[in-house]
Amino acid sequence: QKEVEQDPGPLSVPEGAIVSLNCTYSNSAFQYFMWYRQYSRKGPELLMYTYSSGNKEDGRFTAQVDKSSKYISLFIRDSQPSDSATYLCAMSESGYNKLIFGAGTRLAVHP
Amino acid sequence: GAGVSQSPSNKVTEKGKDVELRCDPISGHTALYWYRQSLGQGLEFLIYFQGNSAPDKSGLPSDRFSAERTGGSVSTLTIQRTQQEDSAVYLCASSGQGDIQYFGAGTRLSVL
Repeated sequence: QKEVEQDPGPLSVPEGAIVSLNCTYSNSAFQYFMWYRQYSRKGPELLMYTYSSGNKEDGRFTAQVDKSSKYISLFIRDSQPSDSATYLCAMSESGYNKLIFGAGTRLAVHP
Repeated sequence: GAGVSQSPSNKVTEKGKDVELRCDPISGHTALYWYRQSLGQGLEFLIYFQGNSAPDKSGLPSDRFSAERTGGSVSTLTIQRTQQEDSAVYLCASSGQGDIQYFGAGTRLSVL
């Protein structure tokens, strides 16, 4: 079993939909949780960064961390075709530490 | 520089040859990481540098893989006697005072 599980999709939604992306993990020592977006043939780009449990909102994006359930989520409101990309969850035990990534979920938002 | 720079962007090599991949981190970033992204395995950690030292090399898959960092800046990942299973995208990331890792665009390595 992998340390971080993420459904690879693909996930296809119409423009304007609310998208929910999720990851589960097994290592209770993880404290830092991130979501990266990766366009084809590009490097991962940080979208959201959360320390410990709680919610964080940035524009159309909301990240949630539930450490008791070992479950993290990313919500995208009013999805746009430009949101079509692969979304990677990542986590680490501490700062200046290696990131453990999920497999990535491929999202397609169609007009 | 403005971001993490990696070169070459693409590399095609023959099985058994050695390759060197280069990473220029964001100026002033003390931490540097190498990851590998392949279809079957996703994005996997290889090695972490703090300054010129590598406190965590746990992700290097075999002794054919090595990396160094000089002057607390540029890093080189070397793969000796390449094998077809080494084909992947090799990503470099750097981080500064905070712990956010910023990634380069990667080097796409194809071993024929």
